[in-house]
Amino acid sequence: DAGVIQSTRHEVTEMGQEVTLRCKPISGHDYLFWYRQTMMRGLELLIYFNNNVPIDDSGMPEDRFSAKMPNASFSTLKIQPSEPRDSAVYFCASSFGGTGINEQFFGPGTRLTVL
Amino acid sequence: QKEVEQDPGPLSVPEGAIVSLNCTYSNSAFQYFMWYRQYSRKGPELLMYTYSSGNKEDGRFTAQVDKSSKYISLFIRDSQPSDSATYLCAMGYSGGYQKVTFGTGTKLQVIP
Repeated sequence: DAGVIQSTRHEVTEMGQEVTLRCKPISGHDYLFWYRQTMMRGLELLIYFNNNVPIDDSGMPEDRFSAKMPNASFSTLKIQPSEPRDSAVYFCASSFGGTGINEQFFGPGTRLTVL
Repeated sequence: QKEVEQDPGPLSVPEGAIVSLNCTYSNSAFQYFMWYRQYSRKGPELLMYTYSSGNKEDGRFTAQVDKSSKYISLFIRDSQPSDSATYLCAMGYSGGYQKVTFGTGTKLQVIP
C-alpha cells in the first residue's frame, strides 16, 4: 500500500489567495483527519470524516477554512482567503475504525507558506 | 488548561542513556494511550500503544500508564542516534471512537 498520499509537499502562496490541499487516504480506511502542526500549538485536529461525512469540525479555526470528502479516496482542505498566520504544516491521516486502537496513519504533510 | 500536557523540550542526551518522556492529562475518560514518533519533515508514526493502565514493553521501549495520577511515560533504553525525533503522546477513547488528542511533542536528540 502506498500509504496516505499528500502529493504537494510545499505550497507557497500570497496573502489573500485561495489554497487547496489534497489528500488520498489509505484504501479501505473509513476515517480521515486533517491536522495542522505549528511549533507553538503542536498538532491540532481541524476536522475529521467518517465514511465521507464530516463528524467534527470544531477545530476549524474560522470560516476561511473548509473541507470536503467527495468520495472515499479523496479529500480537500481549502483556505480562502489565506493569511500569513495560516503558515503551518498540514497533515492528512486516515484510520480504520474496525481495529479499535485508534491508530492513525499520517501522510508526509504539506508545508504551507503564506507570504 | 489543555487536555494533554507535554514538555516540548528539547531534550539532549548522550548515546546509550535512558530517556524518559512524559505526559499528563486531565480527561479521565481516555482509555487508549499512544506514543507517536515523528522524524524531521515526516508525518507521525505510531510507536506504541497501551489500553488502560499498566506497562508495555517492546524492545528498548517501555510505555507506562498511571491512570490514578493521569500520567503516562515512555522510556527508551540504550538510546541511539536514530531515536532522535519528536515524540508525541496521544490519547483516545474505547468503543471505536477514533478521535485522538495529541500532546505538543517532545523533541529528542541523542548525541553520538
